Amino acid sequence: GIQVEQSPPDLILQEGANSTLRCNFSDSVNNLQWFHQNPWGQLINLFYIPSGTKQNGRLSATTVATERYSLLYISSSQTTDSGVYFCAVGLMNYGGSQGNLIFGKGTKLSVKP
Amino acid sequence: GAVVSQHPSRVICKSGTSVKIECRSLDFQATTMFWYRQFPKQSLMLMATSNEGSKATYEQGVEKDKFLINHASLTLSTLTVTSAHPEDSSFYICSATVLTGPSGNTIYFGEGSWLTVV
Repeated sequence: GIQVEQSPPDLILQEGANSTLRCNFSDSVNNLQWFHQNPWGQLINLFYIPSGTKQNGRLSATTVATERYSLLYISSSQTTDSGVYFCAVGLMNYGGSQGNLIFGKGTKLSVKP
Repeated sequence: GAVVSQHPSRVICKSGTSVKIECRSLDFQATTMFWYRQFPKQSLMLMATSNEGSKATYEQGVEKDKFLINHASLTLSTLTVTSAHPEDSSFYICSATVLTGPSGNTIYFGEGSWLTVV
């Protein structure tokens, strides 16, 4: 099946620092999303980005579909950014309907004050 | 905006009993919902696709007789863990998709339900 690999698995930042999280996927997809899971388990949808670049405040994401990777940029990190960031993809070649996702293992981000 | 709500958020049950988890779309209709399972410090794994008015589609390795899914209306899907055992203890989370036009779709997740089987 499709493989989704995220790096790094763990990341510790000082408040104010910038970071880049990476997501590699092994097959063509028609859906790629970035999520933030807070310590209580809530998943927050950050970006729907099967291709191209999007920005939302201090966060931005870029997906290069032809090279099968996506990047999530976090600038001027804050302690509230702490949590686990997941990349998830939808399967184009397997007839998957919009909505069922394959998740990577996540990047655990800790932002220290 | 669209909201998906799960209930209960936490449940403790005795081994051998059954427990039901509800997933509701609060301000939109969802013909399809998805159920995921997440073990501590691990990723989410898709368990099944819940289809309104028809049988759920289960992922390989998921016991359909143990994890009963019912999607009786366009706003409610339920997951029932039958004859629960301690190894079923996990975080269960549902999602639903809202089509947002040519730009794609938005997937909303419920708050999740922590199940502990003692």
